[in-house]
Amino acid sequence: DIQMTQSPSSVSASVGDRVTITCRASQGISSWLAWYQQKPGKAPKLLIYAASSLQSGAPSRFSGSGSGTDFTLTISSLQPEDFATYFCQQANSFPVTFGGGTKVEIK
Amino acid sequence: EVQLVESGGGLVKPGESLRLSCAASGFSFNNAWMSWVRQGPGKGLEWIGLIKSESDGGTTVYAAPVKGRFSISRDDSENTVYLQMNSLKTEDTAVYYCSTYDSYFFDFWGQGSLVTVSS
Repeated sequence: DIQMTQSPSSVSASVGDRVTITCRASQGISSWLAWYQQKPGKAPKLLIYAASSLQSGAPSRFSGSGSGTDFTLTISSLQPEDFATYFCQQANSFPVTFGGGTKVEIK
Repeated sequence: EVQLVESGGGLVKPGESLRLSCAASGFSFNNAWMSWVRQGPGKGLEWIGLIKSESDGGTTVYAAPVKGRFSISRDDSENTVYLQMNSLKTEDTAVYYCSTYDSYFFDFWGQGSLVTVSS
């Protein structure tokens, strides 16, 4: 199975800050990576797919980059509604696996 | 508008069975691959399995922890996907989400159904 490792596990930031979350795959997954946002008590929401494609309806302040084993989710200017937990997911092979999550908290 | 509505969750004892349903609307269900993902209390996301569209063979793929105990089926006439869970264990306690699986990513999700396995 492909292991997905996210870092950091949590980050404290202020409104307007630039936030970067990383995800590392245990083996190469090309660009088969997605990022999801989850707020407490809610279902995850797809933000980025194919490593860098912005899902329809997702704000443009979210961007993704990377390929192979190392990937990044960047929030260019953190907004109050962005405080949530973010998960990466690999789609290169079964079983589908997710990262452990990164909680973005208010500083 | 895409809607996925799960139902059937509840409290069961270890060893018992439960069937979850997910009613879909707002998209071409018969062409969609559908998946189930769960999230244990305070934990991350865990993929359970998926079912392909009938036009793609209608076959299923499962994660190792549930293979042989859980099964996914679909009724395209009812726009519904099912998750049959047998021989439930305490570690199966989670919120279960159904989702569409489009081009290998989960693009739409239901609100989730809580399954608690406890004696």
